[in-house]
Parts: sequence; structure tokens; C-alpha cells
Amino acid sequence: NAGVMQNPRHLVRRRGQEARLRCSPMKGHSHVYWYRQLPEEGLKFMVYLQKENIIDESGMPKERFSAEFPKEGPSILRIQQVVRGDSAAYFCASSPGPLTGVNTEAFFGQGTRLTVV
Amino acid sequence: SQKIEQNSEALNIQEGKTATLTCNYTNYSPAYLQWYRQDPGRGPVFLLLIRENEKEKRKERLKVTFDTTLKQSLFHITASQPADSATYLCALGNYGQNFVFGPGTRLSVLP
Repeated sequence: NAGVMQNPRHLVRRRGQEARLRCSPMKGHSHVYWYRQLPEEGLKFMVYLQKENIIDESGMPKERFSAEFPKEGPSILRIQQVVRGDSAAYFCASSPGPLTGVNTEAFFGQGTRLTVV
Repeated sequence: SQKIEQNSEALNIQEGKTATLTCNYTNYSPAYLQWYRQDPGRGPVFLLLIRENEKEKRKERLKVTFDTTLKQSLFHITASQPADSATYLCALGNYGQNFVFGPGTRLSVLP
């Protein structure tokens, strides 16, 4: 059972371009969480999705950022018209269901490092 | 707004000693608290989860306590080894919701 797969591992975009980050959760996992990590800082929650639904997007900027988790295929975090401040590591995690007293663990991918030049 | 603090940015201890890391929170009533380990350039790896009605949980050389009155969790690594050197993150959440991370503590275990 492969772990959470994120690709690409490294992504370079020029200012104004679009960035698409993909996250394939572990097999059987239907819940995905996206986090952003700036250098020397902690992980900041962005969005929590279940298949075809956004559960919580309170941490995601209202403009330029969007996320989806379709019925088939990976979850996508999309950043339009990237700016230098978007440069960060973006991590996704997955769990089989909502974190409850029974489901206690979320599994993280290795992250995508986005550099905006 | 909710705030999560971890005792220090960096902690250096001697091999064989017990490392104690602190996670404090305000304006939040989490149902559970998790601890993760993160190595440079890697994603976080889950270590332990403790629920609000649990006082203490152990796993091998790791021990976590959770005091909802003090709004604090302590994370202990006994008989520490250089391989334990990493950044340790606490995360808080409520069931069925997202979970939020503290800033992390970078632990260095010196041989």
C-alpha cells in the first residue's frame, strides 16, 4: 500500500503563472487535508476535503486558490497567478475517514516545494 | 483566536537524557492532541494521539500527557538518541474537523 503521493516534488513557476499540485491519498482514504509550510515556520491549515466535497476551506485565501477532490483521481490544489509570497512547501495528508476516537492518524505526503521566480 | 505555542524553537540535550517538549494552547477546546515528527525536507510523521479524557499515553520511549485544565501537553522522549533529532509538532483538533499545528520545536540530541 503506497503512502500519500504528492507530485511534483518540486515546481518552479514564474509570477503570474498557474501552479497545480496533486495529491493521491492512500488507498481507501477518502479525506484529504492541505497544509502550507513557509521556511522555518509551522504548518498552516488550508483546506479539508472529502470526496467531491469541501468540508472546511477556512485556511485558504479567498482569491487565486482553489482545491478539489473529485470522485476519481487525485486531489488538486490550484494556485492561479502565482506571486513570490506563494513560494512554500505544500503538504497534503489523508485519513480513511474523519479523525475520530477510532480513526486517529493522518498520513502525510512528502510535499511539493513551489518556487515562484 | 486560537493560539498554539511550543516551548522553544530549539532544544539541545545530551544523549541518554529525557527530552521534554511542551505544547500550550489558548482559546481552544480540542477533543484530541497529536504529536508528529518532521525531518528536514520530509512530511510530518504521526507519533501519538491523546484524547481529552486521557491523562497519559505511552508508546515505546515516548510518553504524552494532556492536561485540559492547564491547556497543556507534555511530550517526553526517554533515553534519547541522536536519531531522535528532528522537529516535533503538536496538532490539535476536534472530531470530524481539520487539525491545526503548533510552530514546532527543533530537538537536537548530542552524542
